[in-house]
Amino acid sequence: QTVVTQEPSFSVSPGGTVTLTCGLSSGSVSSSHYPSWYQQTPGQAPRTLIYTTNTRSSGVPGRFSGSILGNKAALTITGAQADDESDYYCVLYMGSGIYVFGTGTKVTVL
Amino acid sequence: EVQLVESGGGLVQPGGSLRLSCAASGFTFSRYWMHWVRQAPGKGLVWVSRIDSDGTSTTYTDSVKGRFTISRDNAKNTLYLQMNSLSAEDTAVYYCARLGANLEGATRKYYNCMDVWGEGTTVTVSS
Repeated sequence: QTVVTQEPSFSVSPGGTVTLTCGLSSGSVSSSHYPSWYQQTPGQAPRTLIYTTNTRSSGVPGRFSGSILGNKAALTITGAQADDESDYYCVLYMGSGIYVFGTGTKVTVL
Repeated sequence: EVQLVESGGGLVQPGGSLRLSCAASGFTFSRYWMHWVRQAPGKGLVWVSRIDSDGTSTTYTDSVKGRFTISRDNAKNTLYLQMNSLSAEDTAVYYCARLGANLEGATRKYYNCMDVWGEGTTVTVSS
């Protein structure tokens, strides 16, 4: 089965920039996978950040941006804040009504 | 306010069954496709199933095929997940989520994402 890979963890300084990636165990990620990104803090439901590669969901701050970098989808946080400390997940649409979540990245702001 | 509220979780014995519900409000439920997503304790999010707006097309992740059934009652604005032959591996928080789309105008656009989430309901499979 398809595995969608993300970095296990990242650390970023307040005000710093971090780029998380979302890749496929086999093949390249493209816009046809409709990459989307979600933020989740412990005990809370996920929050949608980015959809269709680079469209910010309503109310999401401009410091979050999405893109395709090389053969992966990417989420960049520019000017990280303390409350950005969360788990981040990507989702790829694999076609035929099948979706796969990435393994998740834990972001620490310190 | 657009809202999804899950219910029906609880403790069930291995091999047992449970039906989850997701009540939708604040939007025209009958026009949107819907997902179920789950998260085992301390683990990541896993997509479980998706259903189209009128319930005629459903898809599942491999691990639940043949055991889980997604359905909906548009008259009641409610999404369901019938779970049978449960095992410990099904222990998780189950979230319902709306499939993101722009349904205004003549052209419908589906974004193949989850744009609205419920708070989740907890299912524990244990003897």
